Amino acid sequence: NAGVTQTPKFQVLKTGQSMTLQCAQDMNHNSMYWYRQDPGMGLRLIYYSASEGTTDKGEVPNGYNVSRLNKREFSLRLESAAPSQTSVYFCASSSGEFQPQHFGDGTRLSIL
Amino acid sequence: AQSVTQPDIHITVSEGASLELRCNYSYGATPYLFWYVQSPGQGLQLLLKYFSGDTLVQGIKGFEAEFKRSQSSFNLRKPSVHWSDAAEYFCAVGGYILTGGGNKLTFGTGTQLKVEL
Repeated sequence: NAGVTQTPKFQVLKTGQSMTLQCAQDMNHNSMYWYRQDPGMGLRLIYYSASEGTTDKGEVPNGYNVSRLNKREFSLRLESAAPSQTSVYFCASSSGEFQPQHFGDGTRLSIL
Repeated sequence: AQSVTQPDIHITVSEGASLELRCNYSYGATPYLFWYVQSPGQGLQLLLKYFSGDTLVQGIKGFEAEFKRSQSSFNLRKPSVHWSDAAEYFCAVGGYILTGGGNKLTFGTGTQLKVEL
């Protein structure tokens, strides 16, 4: 009963390094999402994938890229990490238009 | 554009006391509303959802919420709080349907609940 699995759980990077955050869901959901959570700002949508083969920008896409590898997997890439990208990143998935989103446990990313 | 306001950043209640967390939303049509809870170091867990119909919805862990269209509110309530309810609570509104399925949610900034024993 895994649900949404995110790897890694913690990561420390140096400014300018690159990294890919992995997300996989086993609920056969069509839609997947990447959020970042910062203190006092709630969750902000970075990118989403409404269905396999499509991706679109959310509210804060600058500095990120995504890949919907297949129906199960949706990865988030930081090409050149910046301290402003220090955050907790959450992946979520949902099955349809009126269904809630299910969240992973997050990746805590620090950029020095 | 849809938006959510949670006016209380922090709330402290005594164990056994009642709880109400406020949520106000802005959306042009009938919204889809959610409450999520986040324990430290964890992801968000769905407490309850409102799509249509009965304006009083029941959720898990003894929580309920009431949708009031006239006030654009969706407040979360619990009659008697337990120490294990200490967490951060997020209200979210959805309504922007994505082509191919899915729903773009907008989250409030959260309310941190502290429970005094």
